[in-house]
Amino acid sequence: EAGVAQSPRYKIIEKRQSVAFWCNPISGHATLYWYQQILGQGPKLLIQFQNNGVVDDSQLPKDRFSAERLKGVDSTLKIQPAKLEDSAVYLCASSSRDRPQETQYFGPGTRLLVL
Amino acid sequence: GEDVEQSLFLSVREGDSSVINCTYTDSSSTYLYWYKQEPGAGLQLLTYIFSNMDMKQDQRLTVLLNKKDKHLSLRIADTQTGDSAIYFCAESLDNTDKLIFGTGTRLQVFP
Repeated sequence: EAGVAQSPRYKIIEKRQSVAFWCNPISGHATLYWYQQILGQGPKLLIQFQNNGVVDDSQLPKDRFSAERLKGVDSTLKIQPAKLEDSAVYLCASSSRDRPQETQYFGPGTRLLVL
Repeated sequence: GEDVEQSLFLSVREGDSSVINCTYTDSSSTYLYWYKQEPGAGLQLLTYIFSNMDMKQDQRLTVLLNKKDKHLSLRIADTQTGDSAIYFCAESLDNTDKLIFGTGTRLQVFP
């Protein structure tokens, strides 16, 4: 079974530029999550999708962050414009509603550096 | 409120047991998890425990849950150099899929 795929793996941009990250979840997983992991901290949930609908985006800074999952499979997370404090690893995860106790499977992450 | 705390660092000798501790504040946790993160990699689920259990063993891993004190621990028997990583505990809240992660404990195993 293929895992959660993310791209790019690394991105360096200057502040005020825009950036987008892509995630392909495990096949058949209806739920998709985006997390932000700042260096030295645990991951923090940004947004959760159930199929193509948003379940929880309470921690998403909506003035600059946006995310979509148009066909209920792949998802993109965008930052526009980026700030220095957005430097972090952005993790995508997916889960199956059939077996919630197995929780979320994580991708390798996209490491973003904002200069 | 939701808060999960861990000690930042643990160093053990190869072959010894490691014990990583975690405290949480939300009493409505349904499941509690241990994840492992190696450098440059995503999080790998190691094990989980349902909140009505007090112990779970899985090969070299033993999870102990003290619900009264809201304390979770992960014991790794016969620790190997390949166990060196950051270990995160996490709780899922009642009736949600939301995970609250701790700050992570960096385990260093030396020969």
